Parts: sequence; structure tokens; C-alpha cells
Amino acid sequence: EDKVVQSPLSLVVHEGDTVTLNCSYEVTNFRSLLWYKQEKKAPTFLFMLTSSGIEKKSGRLSSILDKKELFSILNITATQTGDSAVYLCSYNTNAGKSTFGDGTTLTVKP
Amino acid sequence: GAGVSQSPSNKVTEKGKDVELRCDPISGHTALYWYRQSLGQGLEFLIYFQGNSAPDKSGLPSDRFSAERTGGSVSTLTIQRTQQEDSAVYLCASSLSGGDQPQHFGDGTRLSIL
Repeated sequence: EDKVVQSPLSLVVHEGDTVTLNCSYEVTNFRSLLWYKQEKKAPTFLFMLTSSGIEKKSGRLSSILDKKELFSILNITATQTGDSAVYLCSYNTNAGKSTFGDGTTLTVKP
Repeated sequence: GAGVSQSPSNKVTEKGKDVELRCDPISGHTALYWYRQSLGQGLEFLIYFQGNSAPDKSGLPSDRFSAERTGGSVSTLTIQRTQQEDSAVYLCASSLSGGDQPQHFGDGTRLSIL
């Protein structure tokens, strides 16, 4: 059965810390892996990864995919209270269907 | 507006009633998804529409749930004979073409079954 497992389920850090969020997956017909940030309502898109070993970066956030070991990580450096959110990992299949993990709840304390 | 629009934003109804949830995707997006999110949980896939293809209904939890997409645009998710376990946030998303595109989400409909 296709699935996505995220770890840790929750994480509490202080401003300025660096965090690494993990996402492992098992899927047939893998097309892409995506990260989203969900604060109050709608998840918002962060990164889409299709190739192994190529880091995607946006400000203090970065992500990389390992298609051999079937996992991805999302790094956040110099965390701020505004980074507090649920971070969701998902994959898309070639048919376009998406499966999401349960998310990692990140709390950044001042 | 330019984003995905869902209505109503909140719906409270009695057990056993039918409900209809509406999703207006971003214009030009051919792919449309429905998800359900219970408190503290991830997104549970319900159904996926891509263009004129037959929808992928593999995530619908029971035959009380159905969805349609008219004219390749607006979609409605219908839940018949609602049960208390149907209480959740129902999220709709659209994307340009599916598998290699990110999804854009609406703010969801919070459904509460009394």
C-alpha cells in the first residue's frame, strides 16, 4: 500500500534553532514529492522535488530528495516564531493522485 | 478572486441530513482534489478529477459520499445521511495538470454533525 511517514510528529524549538523534518515514502509510479506549510487553514506550497540529490532552497528553508532510499528532508535554519505550523509531505503519482503524511507540528518559542 | 474558493466556510447540521459542499477551482486548472482533515490529522484523499477522464474515487470512505465536477470547473461534494464521524474540515485543491504540479488549496469547509 502506498504511504507517507513523517517524523517527528511534533517538535518544539527556540528561535534561532535549526530543524530537520523527515519524510519517507513507499509508492508505485512515483512522480514528485512536495512539501506544504499549513498554519490555520489552507496548506501552502513550499517545494516540489522530482530528482535525487538536487537541493531546493528558498530563504531559510531547503529540501532534498533521495529516490534510492525513498526519503526527503526539509531543513529550516534560524527558526522564527512565524515558522510555527504543520509541515506536510506528499507525493504525486504519474496518474496525478496525491497521498499526504500526517504532518509534523513545529512550535518555535521566542 | 484568483484562488480556490470553497463554500460554505462552516456548516452545522443534524445527523442524518444531507450536505453539499462546493469548490470553485482556479480558472484553467484541469485537476481538482477533495480531501478530509480531522483534528490533528493529515489530509485524507477522497477523490481526484483530471480533465475529462473518469475521476479517481478510490478514497471515498462509503457510498454516502459522492462528488461531481460540472463543465470541468466547479465541483460539489455530497454527503448523504451524515454521521457524527463525518465531522471534519473538507479541503479542495486544484492544480494546472496533476502529477507534476503543486496544488493550490481553498480554506476548507468545517463540517460539524450534531
